[in-house]
Amino acid sequence: AQTVTQSQPEMSVQEAETVTLSCTYDTSESDYYLFWYKQPPSRQMILVIRQEAYKQQNATENRFSVNFQKAAKSFSLKISDSQLGDAAMYFCAYRSAGGSQGNLIFGKGTKLSVKP
Amino acid sequence: SAVISQKPSRDICQRGTSLTIQCQVDSQVTMMFWYRQQPGQSLTLIATANQGSEATYESGFVIDKFPISRPNLTFSTLTVSNMSPEDSSIYLCSVEVIGAGTDTQYFGPGTRLTVL
Repeated sequence: AQTVTQSQPEMSVQEAETVTLSCTYDTSESDYYLFWYKQPPSRQMILVIRQEAYKQQNATENRFSVNFQKAAKSFSLKISDSQLGDAAMYFCAYRSAGGSQGNLIFGKGTKLSVKP
Repeated sequence: SAVISQKPSRDICQRGTSLTIQCQVDSQVTMMFWYRQQPGQSLTLIATANQGSEATYESGFVIDKFPISRPNLTFSTLTVSNMSPEDSSIYLCSVEVIGAGTDTQYFGPGTRLTVL
């Protein structure tokens, strides 16, 4: 079975600085997807970024980028120029690419605080 | 992406009663999922709602406790039956969008349930 591990329960960053959130996963599959979701206090789960395992190029969305290391099974999220609105819980998630296994497997989350 | 709404957004219920949560999507989707997020925890998949057939439940979740309906490609309901305080959680539905091959799930705003 696949597992997702986020080893940082809480992180803090100064406004305008850069922070990196860690995520590792375990799988025997070769084709899969990885995601980062953000959950602010409103509890809405918001997709931040998505990575296909077969792509070597790291995904980027504006201030958000990932460092995807397939061999190491690592998928970290970098937030540049942090803003107060980035404060939230961040969840790393895994999804199998094949068959009907469409459900997401989530890590326990990292609570990010942004200091003004 | 897709616009997803859930009703109710929150509710406070008495032990032993049942609550039905609705999930409505603004476009046709193949797969709909129901997740539970217990206080301070990550998301756990309850079941996959299949259109025209029985829902597929994850280990630890049973149909008698969490009956699910999926009458068409844009709507699903989750019922939390015979509630106890341990059922106090946020319940979220998510969808995967047809045709775009995105393999990406988008979430509704969630239903915060408190059982007294």
